[in-house]
Amino acid sequence: AQSVTQLGSHVSVSEGALVLLRCNYSSSVPPYLFWYVQYPNQGLQLLLKYTTGATLVKGINGFEAEFKKSETSFHLTKPSAHMSDAAEYFCAVTTSNTGNQFYFGTGTSLTVIP
Amino acid sequence: NAGVMQNPRHLVRRRGQEARLRCSPMKGHSHVYWYRQLPEEGLKFMVYLQKENIIDESGMPKERFSAEFPKEGPSILRIQQVVRGDSAAYFCASSRTRDGPRNTIYFGEGSWLTVV
Repeated sequence: AQSVTQLGSHVSVSEGALVLLRCNYSSSVPPYLFWYVQYPNQGLQLLLKYTTGATLVKGINGFEAEFKKSETSFHLTKPSAHMSDAAEYFCAVTTSNTGNQFYFGTGTSLTVIP
Repeated sequence: NAGVMQNPRHLVRRRGQEARLRCSPMKGHSHVYWYRQLPEEGLKFMVYLQKENIIDESGMPKERFSAEFPKEGPSILRIQQVVRGDSAAYFCASSRTRDGPRNTIYFGEGSWLTVV
């Protein structure tokens, strides 16, 4: 079975500071990993995904994530936070075995302090 | 993700009533998924459908919940005799093929159900 753990349900950073949102996964087969962002009362927007190939994945809005198999991690980073980054962020995992069933973490709420 | 259309966006039902949530997938997509997001939780998979077929309903509650995706028209998630615990955001997603991980699925903006 697959699962995702997001450490820290709430993260606050100052505007211009580094953003680091943590995601660890559990999977017995090679995972496919995703980060989604959700703004209040809106749906999920894909930030980036890792399927195969390069382990450092770049996404939209300056975000990137690195797949580290040895650490079973897929942490999301952004060098400089912007006020517009304030939102809920979800990490998700799926595999070729689970097809289109995604397993989501419980989310991390990012607050950006001016 | 604006291509996946869900309605209504907000629905209020009294306990015991029925709730029907509709989802029109993106153009060209024939695979639809429903997820539920309870307050303070992540999204939980409910059901995966193709046209006229339920492929995987392992996440659906055993009673009161049903889903369909007819040959014509939107996918419908139906909740009978709603209870307060059904209050949640229900998200629909769609993809072009079955190979979801390589073929990004797109989420709609959700339907927020409130049971009073």
